[in-house]
Amino acid sequence: GEDVEQSLFLSVREGDSSVINCTYTDSSSTYLYWYKQEPGAGLQLLTYIFSNMDMKQDQRLTVLLNKKDKHLSLRIADTQTGDSAIYFCAERERASGGTSYGKLTFGQGTILTVHP
Amino acid sequence: DVKVTQSSRYLVKRTGEKVFLECVQDMDHENMFWYRQDPGLGLRLIYFSYDVKMKEKGDIPEGYSVSREKKERFSLILESASTNQTSMYLCASNQARGGYTFGSGTRLTVV
Repeated sequence: GEDVEQSLFLSVREGDSSVINCTYTDSSSTYLYWYKQEPGAGLQLLTYIFSNMDMKQDQRLTVLLNKKDKHLSLRIADTQTGDSAIYFCAERERASGGTSYGKLTFGQGTILTVHP
Repeated sequence: DVKVTQSSRYLVKRTGEKVFLECVQDMDHENMFWYRQDPGLGLRLIYFSYDVKMKEKGDIPEGYSVSREKKERFSLILESASTNQTSMYLCASNQARGGYTFGSGTRLTVV
């Protein structure tokens, strides 16, 4: 089945860039997502990239996709203490058999800690 | 503001109790999902539903069942709660190929 892997921890200083990495196994993935979870809250969609794209930029966030290596990264520029959270990578399987739901498979989550 | 609402933020139940976790969405979404979240394991799919009265097993359905009698409501049922079901439970919904919207989660402790 599908598998998504992330490193568990990342610690950076305020103002530096953060890079969170993710690898996945399903070459038929259609969309890849980054979600953010703050303490005590549900998951909030940060950004996503379609599988035929290499890069997507959205303000401080840059997503890079290397389809050959099945590697996805999220770069946060000028990281702030408010960016401290758990970040989840997720892949969406290609819907099949006429269904429209396309399940998401999540990584373990990367705990980002930003030090002043 | 579109919402997925989970009825309880925190629950404490005794081993062997029947537990109901409720989730309601106001976006008229077709698809609804139940995940559990455990440290170091990420989110694991328990069950999902793509239509009223339809359900599909996810990756870890053992010990759980679900009910979807109305489009907006998706219930997760623990028939006989056990301590290894202590976890954070997250409900989500989406429409066709759209992104997921998550609820705030229910932290269940089984003692």
